[in-house]
Amino acid sequence: DGGITQSPKYLFRKEGQNVTLSCEQNLNHDAMYWYRQDPGQGLRLIYYSQIVNDFQKGDIAEGYSVSREKKESFPLTVTSAQKNPTAFYLCASRLAGAYEQYFGPGTRLTVT
Amino acid sequence: GENVEQHPSTLSVQEGDSAVIKCTYSDSASNYFPWYKQELGKRPQLIIDIRSNVGEKKDQRIAVTLNKTAKHFSLHITETQPEDSAVYFCAAGTIAFTSGTYKYIFGTGTRLKVLA
Repeated sequence: DGGITQSPKYLFRKEGQNVTLSCEQNLNHDAMYWYRQDPGQGLRLIYYSQIVNDFQKGDIAEGYSVSREKKESFPLTVTSAQKNPTAFYLCASRLAGAYEQYFGPGTRLTVT
Repeated sequence: GENVEQHPSTLSVQEGDSAVIKCTYSDSASNYFPWYKQELGKRPQLIIDIRSNVGEKKDQRIAVTLNKTAKHFSLHITETQPEDSAVYFCAAGTIAFTSGTYKYIFGTGTRLKVLA
């Protein structure tokens, strides 16, 4: 482990509150990704970023926002507009010119 | 839209037996097929991958086969051990460096249980 870190491991929030999930990598990877994982479903792409100061919506971006001010960091904010935010969130990164994605340890978010 | 179907959703095998997990993809432009192992509450770990110019790849007890014509690929684990128990995910990637296309579609996962 190491290389890509996510914090915290578990996060609890009340409905109606925004919450920011951290993702940091020291692999010098250019691209970073956020996925959501729900039981019985494949990973679904929320946002991705190929370079600093640029990011693109994935398949389920509604209710989420991101920023990419530094190469090492790609924080995800889950806003109150996200209707079903409780899930396991995975961050991934990829080196430019490479095929492989590498995943962080994940953050389990519970909203009640 | 594009999708990846993965079967079976659960698989139980006796220790020492082989396990096979199959995935079918829809995007004919897909050219990269990784397999991930995820233990409970942990990160997916890349265990093997194959590109579309290769039909088969082996790494010790695991192998992946690809049939581009049929658009399906499979993970084979031989001589299974209890520590192989986990959820396995396949993915179909469409990677085009010149256009900057990097798209990954994931299967829904297979829970493998290796019974001692």
